[in-house]
Amino acid sequence: QSVLTQPPSASGTPGQRVTISCSGSSSNIGSNTVNWYQQLPGTAPKLLIYSNNQRPSGVPDRFSGSKSGTSASLAISGLQSEDEADYYCAAWDDSLNGFWVFGGGTKLTVL
Amino acid sequence: QLQLQESGPGLVKPSETLSLTCTVSGGSISSSSYYWGWIRQPPGKGLEWIGSIYYSGSSYYNPSLKSRVTISVDTSKNQFSLKLSSVTAADTAVYYCARTWIQLETFDYWGQGTLVTVSS
Repeated sequence: QSVLTQPPSASGTPGQRVTISCSGSSSNIGSNTVNWYQQLPGTAPKLLIYSNNQRPSGVPDRFSGSKSGTSASLAISGLQSEDEADYYCAAWDDSLNGFWVFGGGTKLTVL
Repeated sequence: QLQLQESGPGLVKPSETLSLTCTVSGGSISSSSYYWGWIRQPPGKGLEWIGSIYYSGSSYYNPSLKSRVTISVDTSKNQFSLKLSSVTAADTAVYYCARTWIQLETFDYWGQGTLVTVSS
């Protein structure tokens, strides 16, 4: 069972806006920044969002992140077929001398 | 362009030690801006952080794996390594090495991953 909680699946049609939630606690999301990773089938995870809402160079502005309290969200607007992938949230957890924690992942299907 | 490449045996017997190496190219492992870590993903499951190391040798581990994990660094070869002892089938996973950008608190570069199967 993952420390951060994500819905196992999400879906949308091309052009739609989809959001994926990530719920944590005061020791992780509540006190540290959140990152989001995209994992296309058969490939390594790729950094999508860092510091809650920052996009690395090359990531389309269709992807956006937000954080409030002990929860975070990833939003994808103008959904495209190539967005079909697994999405993971991650944060540093301050408990037990500190360690990285991930969400269980959300499989996004573009219908 | 920074690249990370995992290498090591793809099959390990139960109770033995899993050993992997990550070779970093296109950048120096001795930079003060980064940690270097290992993350794994069992087949069909999510990501689990194993541990990370600084070029000086300072390391920290996932509490759930700490008793079985050792991560080391070889700056002369621009490599860092993972040893996981007393493995069981539950340790079967794709193992990724990744760079942690300290200032931004994120894993910004990942290796392609290597599948390690624990089986007799």
